[in-house]
Amino acid sequence: EVQLVESGGGLVQPGGSLRLSCAASGFTFSSYAMSWVRQAPGKGLEWVSAISGGGGTTYYADSVKGRFTISRDNSKNTLYLQLNTLRAEDTAVYYCAKTLLDNSGYYFDYWGQGTLVTVSS
Amino acid sequence: SYELTQPPSVSVSPGQTARITCSGDALPKKYAYWYQQKSGQAPVLVIYEDNKRPSGIPERFSGSSSGTMATLTISGAQVEDEADYYCYSTSTDSSGNHRVFGGGTKLTVL
Repeated sequence: EVQLVESGGGLVQPGGSLRLSCAASGFTFSSYAMSWVRQAPGKGLEWVSAISGGGGTTYYADSVKGRFTISRDNSKNTLYLQLNTLRAEDTAVYYCAKTLLDNSGYYFDYWGQGTLVTVSS
Repeated sequence: SYELTQPPSVSVSPGQTARITCSGDALPKKYAYWYQQKSGQAPVLVIYEDNKRPSGIPERFSGSSSGTMATLTISGAQVEDEADYYCYSTSTDSSGNHRVFGGGTKLTVL
């Protein structure tokens, strides 16, 4: 059974930093791309970032490019998202998602339960 | 940037057919995917590659796509199908690859 468990969320001041983690189990972690998707309170879903199975290729939404960094440790079956220079508009539940690739590109077949990041002074 | 447009809400009675649409200029060339999100829960994939159903998803969920519009159909909607539904797709243009969700549709079954 695929399990994804996020952690690391919390309250942080504007301009601050946070590192999110996602512990994966139930599948061969290194064989799959992984993504982060966020959801602001009461709003819709927004794709944030993705990383290839080996970790050598990364992608970012324009809204976070240059501020967020995605990475993975395949020896620990763990995905990370480093959030820097945080803004109020980054306040959201952050989900990690197991990611598949088809002819259209990436899509997400399993999601974790999410971790809440609140950016406020 | 690329946008997918969904109606904000759809309402049906139990046992009726619910149809949720998603429009996007790149849909003739790209697959549509559909996610169900119940209140307080993580999204669940219910349709992938326009019309394929993951294992464990009830047969009453189906998908189709024609031209610039994709449609999620729930045949014989049940009370437990009440949720927010999001379409997702991708597009490629001169500025790169875009991975986009629609704004979401709240399905009410009562």
